[in-house]
Amino acid sequence: QQQVKQSPQSLIVQKGGIPIINCAYENTAFDYFPWYQQFPGKGPALLIAIRPDVSEKKEGRFTISFNKSAKQFSLHIMDSQPGDSATYFCAADTGNQFYFGTGTSLTVIP
Amino acid sequence: NAGVTQTPKFQVLKTGQSMTLQCAQDMNHEYMSWYRQDPGMGLRLIHYSVGAGITDQGEVPNGYNVSRSTTEDFPLRLLSAAPSQTSVYFCATHPTGQSYEQYFGPGTRLTVT
Repeated sequence: QQQVKQSPQSLIVQKGGIPIINCAYENTAFDYFPWYQQFPGKGPALLIAIRPDVSEKKEGRFTISFNKSAKQFSLHIMDSQPGDSATYFCAADTGNQFYFGTGTSLTVIP
Repeated sequence: NAGVTQTPKFQVLKTGQSMTLQCAQDMNHEYMSWYRQDPGMGLRLIHYSVGAGITDQGEVPNGYNVSRSTTEDFPLRLLSAAPSQTSVYFCATHPTGQSYEQYFGPGTRLTVT
């Protein structure tokens, strides 16, 4: 049973577009929601994270929107660049265990 | 400062063989964990440790053993490899406290034939 549901599975946008990746969860014990970026052959790297007492967080071109009542959160990438082409994972943490979404493969076309 | 290192990078095993995947960190983090990554499945937690001498099971622990005798090392043992254990394995660490940022190693690609 997938604790964190992620969509879409893949996404293709033009350079400058704003890809949006969505995640949903059920467990209200989750208290930390990170997004990871992974390039082929590499380990995931933390991109941005949010806690449930905040509805939005921005770091550079990356924004997390968090809707606690709907148990959903999403990643927006502003002014996307070809270098953003990677796989993105959302995750949720109870304090000891992280649960990851199934990943979204993003391609940004020049 | 190497961060999180994993060895080997690649490994091919025959069904029934055993092996140990090594993970070491030099960041003095208390929390260490092992994940497996399979296509379409994301990363799934196998085992984790909150400090030396303390380990616990994650989502998919069957067929794997761990131990944590030092802060730096957290080896993952496959007792009798099966084709279903073909995967990419990642070790991760994070400091305890509010941060929770996990640092991942480069991964080990394991094939069981």
